[in-house]
Amino acid sequence: GAVVSQHPSWVICKSGTSVKIECRSLDFQATTMFWYRQFPKQSLMLMATSNEGSKATYEQGVEKDKFLINHASLTLSTLTVTSAHPEDSSFYICSARKLQGLRETQYFGPGTRLLVL
Amino acid sequence: KNQVEQSPQSLIILEGKNCTLQCNYTVSPFSNLRWYKQDTGRGPVSLTIMTFSENTKSNGRYTATLDADTKQSSLHITASQLSDSASYICVVVYFGNEKLTFGTGTRLTIIP
Repeated sequence: GAVVSQHPSWVICKSGTSVKIECRSLDFQATTMFWYRQFPKQSLMLMATSNEGSKATYEQGVEKDKFLINHASLTLSTLTVTSAHPEDSSFYICSARKLQGLRETQYFGPGTRLLVL
Repeated sequence: KNQVEQSPQSLIILEGKNCTLQCNYTVSPFSNLRWYKQDTGRGPVSLTIMTFSENTKSNGRYTATLDADTKQSSLHITASQLSDSASYICVVVYFGNEKLTFGTGTRLTIIP
């Protein structure tokens, strides 16, 4: 199957700092990537849809000025959590959409654990 | 109310035994239904993908079924192994915008 990587796998930062998380599709090009957040024992919640070369589309309730998304190339999307606070501590997961004929499949990255102190 | 409900929330079984996880959904119209396995601290990994016209799909010891009329799906795991311990997530994809709706998952624990 397709491979999606995330970096870093975990990060601890002080409150008020910004954190950048990278999502890469390693063996395919992805015009669309997605960013999810998952709190303990809960489902993945879609935060935003990232389209290469255009602005991201944010879900209702997600602050676009706080969660900056840049889809700079067909294999890289970044999520920057600006002025992080303890309530931003969560598991952030990206996925990349791969088109296979008429079907499209989302492949998920391994996730990034963020802890804001 | 979540549009994708899974049961049970958690399940503990002995190694070697079989188990079945349930998924009921109200998402409509739907494009396809997927089952994912998520190990703790990892991203979800796809197990099966079924369109509305498919009734069953197997992947090794995993067999998923789908009844589009009753909007129910199940994931059957045969001869469980310790490595099967994980959360299993049912995901229903909207027809048209291909948006994913995630179930709350079933936490499966296999004990030796």
